[in-house]
Amino acid sequence: ETGVTQTPRHLVMGMTNKKSLKCEQHLGHNAMYWYKQSAKKPLELMFVYNFKEQTENNSVPSRFSPECPNSSHLFLHLHTLQPEDSALYLCASSQSGGYQETQYFGPGTRLLVL
Amino acid sequence: AQTVTQSQPEMSVQEAETVTLSCTYDTSESDYYLFWYKQPPSRQMILVIRQEAYKQQNATENRFSVNFQKAAKSFSLKISDSQLGDAAMYFCAHWSNNNDMRFGAGTRLTVKP
Repeated sequence: ETGVTQTPRHLVMGMTNKKSLKCEQHLGHNAMYWYKQSAKKPLELMFVYNFKEQTENNSVPSRFSPECPNSSHLFLHLHTLQPEDSALYLCASSQSGGYQETQYFGPGTRLLVL
Repeated sequence: AQTVTQSQPEMSVQEAETVTLSCTYDTSESDYYLFWYKQPPSRQMILVIRQEAYKQQNATENRFSVNFQKAAKSFSLKISDSQLGDAAMYFCAHWSNNNDMRFGAGTRLTVKP
């Protein structure tokens, strides 16, 4: 379970704060993903990066800003969040972003916005 | 837009028994994959099994098998000889070649000793 790591594991922030979530994959993959997991709702795909280029942005509010400096690292920068943004944020990676590929998930960051 | 529906929010099964988790999906795509992912209480989600839409034969992985009914857009997961370690949230997912990936809301499986 150490293929994809996420830090921090828990985060509490006020609505005016700025914070960043970090994801690192040690699998040699070229595609990375951010998901939002809210209670009793389907997992929501937020962003997809393939070979460091953003290929998907599923109508995510601009208060979420992704960054992918290289194929191994993915960040999610957070600013002026709302309480409804409280959720588990999951990072995943796959070999090259193909729709047949297995995604490997990190343990998630539990975010609470006050 | 594609949707994935898991109609059973919770299921329980006796250890060593068999349980089936339901999943239906709606898609206009002809080329896609279907997945079952498992999320144990530690929260790291892992792949259980996957099925290519063009393959008629149902996928199997040890104690896990699927019943893929393409015309009915149904993709159920059967777990045989259930073990305590099978207790988890199970998510059905659909990923088409237009890069649209959708998950269901999940089914929480409890395994009773």
